[in-house]
Amino acid sequence: AQTVTQSQPEMSVQEAETVTLSCTYDTSESNYYLFWYKQPPSRQMILVIRQEAYKQQNATENRFSVNFQKAAKSFSLKISDSQLGDTAMYFCAFMKLRVNAGNMLTFGGGTRLMVKP
Amino acid sequence: EPEVTQTPSHQVTQMGQEVILRCVPISNHLYFYWYRQILGQKVEFLVSFYNNEISEKSEIFDDQFSVERPDGSNFTLKIRSTKLEDSAMYFCAKVDRGGNEQFFGPGTRLTVL
Repeated sequence: AQTVTQSQPEMSVQEAETVTLSCTYDTSESNYYLFWYKQPPSRQMILVIRQEAYKQQNATENRFSVNFQKAAKSFSLKISDSQLGDTAMYFCAFMKLRVNAGNMLTFGGGTRLMVKP
Repeated sequence: EPEVTQTPSHQVTQMGQEVILRCVPISNHLYFYWYRQILGQKVEFLVSFYNNEISEKSEIFDDQFSVERPDGSNFTLKIRSTKLEDSAMYFCAKVDRGGNEQFFGPGTRLTVL
């Protein structure tokens, strides 16, 4: 079974600064995806970014980027130019890829990020 | 991306009662998922549903839970006899065309008294 660990329960950052959220995972699989989801106070789960394990290049989506270290099983999220609207819970998630089968997500415990003005 | 809606947004029920939570995708998708998030805790997988059958379920998804697609559009999660510990947010998710990204509905907040 896969496990996902987020070691930082809470973090804070000043507006416009950069912050990095950590995530490690444990798996014996070689074919998988990793995701970061954002959960604002509304509790909606919003997909932020994804990374395919077979890709060496780190994914980037505007102010959000990841540092994917496959050998170390590490998948951190960097938020640049933090904005007040980035205040939320952030969940790291793992998905094993299987052919013709449902691909469930395994989530970490989350990191609560507070962006301060 | 296409939307997923869930109804109701908030359900309050008495312990032992049955509840039905609904997920309505805008477009036709084959794969659906239900997840649960107890307040303050992580999101947990319950069940995946493919082509009108359960594809996979977690150990949380015991005999009190069931899923259906009764009319070919709505996708329901039924809890037969609710317990206090069933109080949680319940999320429905669907996959995109590539099948590798899951998009979540807004969730149903279930409160069992």
